[in-house]
This record gives sequence, C-alpha cells and structure tokens, in this order.
Amino acid sequence: DAKTTQPNSMESNEEEPVHLPCNHSTISGTDYIHWYRQLPSQGPEYVIHGLTSNVNNRMASLAIAEDRKSSTLILHRATLRDAAVYYCILRDGGNTGNQFYFGTGTSLTVIP
Amino acid sequence: DAGVIQSPRHEVTEMGQEVTLRCKPISGHDYLFWYRQTMMRGLELLIYFNNNVPIDDSGMPEDRFSAKMPNASFSTLKIQPSEPRDSAVYFCASSLWRGGDSDTQYFGPGTRLTVL
Repeated sequence: DAKTTQPNSMESNEEEPVHLPCNHSTISGTDYIHWYRQLPSQGPEYVIHGLTSNVNNRMASLAIAEDRKSSTLILHRATLRDAAVYYCILRDGGNTGNQFYFGTGTSLTVIP
Repeated sequence: DAGVIQSPRHEVTEMGQEVTLRCKPISGHDYLFWYRQTMMRGLELLIYFNNNVPIDDSGMPEDRFSAKMPNASFSTLKIQPSEPRDSAVYFCASSLWRGGDSDTQYFGPGTRLTVL
C-alpha cells in the first residue's frame, strides 16, 4: 500500500513557487517516486517521476533527497490552474505488477 | 489519441439495480485499471488487467462487483445488486509497460455513480 506521508493541504500565492513535500522513509532501492495530480472533477494526471536524481519537465521539478527518504515537488510559478490534489506515490520498479496505491494527497489552494 | 474513454459519465440508479460501467483504454496499452474514489476512502484500486487477464482483484469490495475485459479495447465493471454505499466516482486508467519506470497511467474522466 501507499507508504508516503504528505500534508493534507497547502496554500500558495499565484505566480509564487510551491514546494510540496513527501516523506517516504521506508522506500526501497527499486522504488520510483511518482507524482500525480487531480484537478477538480477530473481523473488524476501524471506530473513527474524519478528514482535518485532530480528531474525536470515542462510541468514541474522533482527534488529527491540524497537518502531518498523524502522528495519535493516544485511548481516554479503557481497558477490558478495548478489548484489540485497532488499525490506522491512509490512504485516498485522491480515489480511488473504496475499498480499504484494513492494516499490522501495534498490539496493545493492557489490564492490570486 | 482520444485518451481513455468512459461511459456513462453519470449514472443514477436505485438500490438493487444492476449497473454496468464501461471503459475503452488507449489503443496499444496493455494494462487496464479500475479505481473507485470516495470522500471517505480516497482513491482505491479495485482491479487491474494485463493483456486482458485479471491480475489482482483484491481491491474488489464484494462479490457484487465484477469486472471483465473481453478484448484489448473494452472493459466493464458491473455491480449487481447496487447499494447506496456504492455511490462514488469510478475511474478507469490504462498504461503501457515498456520495462523500468515506463508505466505512466492515463486516467479517464470517470463515471459518477449515485445509488438511491
């Protein structure tokens, strides 16, 4: 099951950077860290994922601690469209089962 | 690609009736997942298929729930008989396994089920 811990909610001002934390102290060596987000009334959508190194894509950046027991999703400039629930998920890369277990996520509010 | 397609988008039914939810995965994807989302329990994995074969149905809550995938482009989730506590949003997702970390799941828009 999901083995991550996230704050229930966070707020950010529009156009400011947002740092969404995730703790995963029991992460194993083959676990990938995935982030999905769910906009209101929509299904979850992929944001970013990584294993050990920090990752960047057009949506966000993922900073992974050196010991991999925590990670941070970084939205460089929050917009109102970024208001969503953000899920941090561990996915065993050595397991071809391919299933994800979603936790409760962090509900991000963006203030105009 | 049109993405994952689910139908109906909304379903209202009475307790005891049979409900069938439908899903068309993204063409070429080999994994299909059914999730249920409620305020109380969040997003729960019910069952998933690989190449049309059910792999893990441990999340299916009761025998009233059943899922099938007769071919690579279609899956159904059936509830018979339905109960008010089955009211939730049901999501279907699909993915393509290419090894390693190549397993991004693509979700459909969901079916909002209300059982009166």
